[in-house]
Amino acid sequence: EVQLVESGGGLVQPGRSLRLSCTTSGFTFGDFSLSWVRQSPGKGLEWLTFITHKGFGETIKYAASVKDRFTISRDDSKGVAYLQMNDLKIEDTALYYCTRDGDQVGIAFETWGQGTQVIVSS
Amino acid sequence: QSVVTQPPSASGAPGQTITISCSGSSSNIEVNIVNWYQQISGKAPKLLIHSDDRRPSGVPDRFSGSKSGASASLAISGLQSEDEANYYCAVWDDNVNGWVFGRGTTLTVL
Repeated sequence: EVQLVESGGGLVQPGRSLRLSCTTSGFTFGDFSLSWVRQSPGKGLEWLTFITHKGFGETIKYAASVKDRFTISRDDSKGVAYLQMNDLKIEDTALYYCTRDGDQVGIAFETWGQGTQVIVSS
Repeated sequence: QSVVTQPPSASGAPGQTITISCSGSSSNIEVNIVNWYQQISGKAPKLLIHSDDRRPSGVPDRFSGSKSGASASLAISGLQSEDEANYYCAVWDDNVNGWVFGRGTTLTVL
């Protein structure tokens, strides 16, 4: 069974940093692209970033709202993806989901973790 | 304001068919594929439709997707109480150079 488990969330002050992890199992991690998507309280979904697999050159893209503050990375040997979040703002408060794409082009966000909560507050 | 627009709410009686729209533009829906996600309250989203009109295995054929020009639609036939959820469309936008989600449509089964 494909599983994604996010961790690393918590309460953090504005301006500080946090690193989220997405630990996976049940599939060949190196063959799939991954994204982070967040959901603010009572709000909709917001795509943040993706990293493709090596076959697609480990291409990385960011949403404008997090570019230059957030960094996505992956460790294929461990089956883990990371989201380094710097200079956190109150508006970054959200539930952060790790997602995995499907094995065909076009199947984005096929599998989701349960999310990890990030609260940015002084 | 989202780049793609969904109605905030929809409703229907059990057994009926409802349609949820997702309106975009020439930089997203018109030229890129659309995916749909179902999010039941308190749960993570689930992929419902990919590549405009393809159902992942395990998704009932009561759910169908379509696209015409810069608009896409999700249809749910034979409405059931367990279909109550929020539904989101998502598409790559060439101007934004990223994925954009609609704001979601809350479906109520009367």
